[in-house]
Amino acid sequence: GAVVSQHPSWVICKSGTSVKIECRSLDFQATTMFWYRQFPKQSLMLMATSNEGSKATYEQGVEKDKFLINHASLTLSTLTVTSAHPEDSSFYICSARRTGGVYNQPQHFGDGTRLSIL
Amino acid sequence: AQSVTQLGSHVSVSEGALVLLRCNYSSSVPPYLFWYVQYPNQGLQLLLKYTTGATLVKGINGFEAEFKKSETSFHLTKPSAHMSDAAEYFCAVSDYAGGTSYGKLTFGQGTILTVHP
Repeated sequence: GAVVSQHPSWVICKSGTSVKIECRSLDFQATTMFWYRQFPKQSLMLMATSNEGSKATYEQGVEKDKFLINHASLTLSTLTVTSAHPEDSSFYICSARRTGGVYNQPQHFGDGTRLSIL
Repeated sequence: AQSVTQLGSHVSVSEGALVLLRCNYSSSVPPYLFWYVQYPNQGLQLLLKYTTGATLVKGINGFEAEFKKSETSFHLTKPSAHMSDAAEYFCAVSDYAGGTSYGKLTFGQGTILTVHP
């Protein structure tokens, strides 16, 4: 149980394109999902916390107009990188925590999306 | 504020040898601690977690970790390394301060484990 699906796995696109990444919890409901960014050989950096039915909470320094997050249902959150540029190239990972769980419930991670902007 | 320090960005062991990956944390409240493993170009897989209760926690793939409050440590061990254990390992602490914290994870910098035949 606790499977998180992230799609697409790889995206290569031209500069100026907007890219949408989907994160789905397949066998559980997730009120809260998280979006991370990981640079090569570095740890995960939390970008934002996504809550179903409300606005996402962004970490300091993350542009909310650049990285649009929508969490319209208990099983789906999306991250849209708007007008992507080469510096947005990175590995993006989502995670989800079961609804009703307290903070000791682990986050379950998707397999990540490799975004390359040419 | 919370923080995690993983001592050693790279650890190399021989197959069959003991694996020890070090993690120290800082937290203003009793911590919830996690170890995750990441294989190349994949997301993170939970190995084990500590919340409350028994301080020695057993996880998947033969890994275990011991929570030592006095040392603020949560080191990960495995008695006998296997080639398939080669990956990057992340220690994380959860923020559960309530309010709008939503239990955010703070990760260490990661430790790459190499296993030699």
